[in-house]
Amino acid sequence: KQEVTQIPAALSVPEGENLVLNCSFTDSAIYNLQWFRQDPGKGLTSLLLIQSSQREQTSGRLNASLDKSSGRSTLYIAASQPGDSATYLCAVRPDYGQNFVFGPGTRLSVLP
Amino acid sequence: DAGVIQSPRHEVTEMGQEVTLRCKPISGHDYLFWYRQTMMRGLELLIYFNNNVPIDDSGMPEDRFSAKMPNASFSTLKIQPSEPRDSAVYFCASRGDGYYEQYFGPGTRLTVT
Repeated sequence: KQEVTQIPAALSVPEGENLVLNCSFTDSAIYNLQWFRQDPGKGLTSLLLIQSSQREQTSGRLNASLDKSSGRSTLYIAASQPGDSATYLCAVRPDYGQNFVFGPGTRLSVLP
Repeated sequence: DAGVIQSPRHEVTEMGQEVTLRCKPISGHDYLFWYRQTMMRGLELLIYFNNNVPIDDSGMPEDRFSAKMPNASFSTLKIQPSEPRDSAVYFCASRGDGYYEQYFGPGTRLTVT
């Protein structure tokens, strides 16, 4: 059974810092991995989707990497801003299924 | 496209009442997912449909929960009778076939008193 963990559970950084969020999964047989952002009381917004054959994806200040063999993905946020404060979740779609398995999320606070 | 639409956004009901949550997926998406989010358990998949057919309902907590998708543009999640432990945010998400992202609705915050 696929399990997804995220470290750290919470992170607080000053504005302008570069930061890395980590996601680990137990079964490397994945189809793709998706990073989401969730603002308090809101739904999930898709940030990046990485296919199993890809190593990384970039969108603006965000860069997500995937190391399938080691069961890890990272989300790099450059030059963080207070508006980046949210909970970031990673989700893994196994090879054998159509649904995503979600991690518990990392709650990020960027202080002005 | 307006994205995934859910209604109601908030629902407060008394224990024992029937609750019906509604979802309209993005047009053209073949897959529809129902999730539940709580502080204790995070985001859990309840059930998903492919082309209106339920494929995996192993996440449905018990017989009090049921879901239907009568057509490609509408799905319901029903809880009967509701209990306080059902209080959570319920999300609907949809996705196209193949290498596609999953898109979430804004959620329905359910409170059962």
